[in-house]
Amino acid sequence: GAGVSQSPSNKVTEKGKDVELRCDPISGHTALYWYRQSLGQGLEFLIYFQGNSAPDKSGLPSDRFSAERTGGSVSTLTIQRTQQEDSAVYLCASSPGGGSFSEQFFGPGTRLTVL
Amino acid sequence: AQSVAQPEDQVNVAEGNPLTVKCTYSVSGNPYLFWYVQYPNRGLQFLLKYITGDNLVKGSYGFEAEFNKSQTSFHLKKPSALVSDSALYFCAVRDFMFSGGYNKLIFGAGTRLAVHP
Repeated sequence: GAGVSQSPSNKVTEKGKDVELRCDPISGHTALYWYRQSLGQGLEFLIYFQGNSAPDKSGLPSDRFSAERTGGSVSTLTIQRTQQEDSAVYLCASSPGGGSFSEQFFGPGTRLTVL
Repeated sequence: AQSVAQPEDQVNVAEGNPLTVKCTYSVSGNPYLFWYVQYPNRGLQFLLKYITGDNLVKGSYGFEAEFNKSQTSFHLKKPSALVSDSALYFCAVRDFMFSGGYNKLIFGAGTRLAVHP
């Protein structure tokens, strides 16, 4: 079956512009995560969605970052007024549930470059 | 707070030799540990996990990991490396968010494995 997909695969933008990154989770997966992978660093948790519950936004680095998940499926991560330090690979993951034993399935990521 | 450390930025090994990629962890409570691999321009792929039970966990592509509670380690191993194993490897620990009742993964910085012919 289809895995997690993300679009675009690459995004180059100018400083100060807004960007939207899209994630299509695996069908039927109720949990969705966004992570950020900066060069030379590990993955940094950004936000978590579970079904129709309120998301956990505790990992968002600033109020320029926001995310939504429509209909419990597709998610969009929006970065407003992008800065050069926002340059990174943004990874989306989904899992059947948020429970202890659910492994997360990752998409290929969106590489964001802010000039 | 939960954390994992991968002390080696890069590991070099000759094809056919055994490989070890190191990971140590710091958790409160029982550790739930994971290994993921990232090939160039690809997302992370799950390799294996330790939840409970046998200390030696077997995973995908011939990889295994040994959980050592006394040393707080969860090293990834493979008896005979392949050139195709060259990739970026991440160790992760579950951070259970009790307020939300879900898992968040805390990742190490990653170790780049280079297998030479």
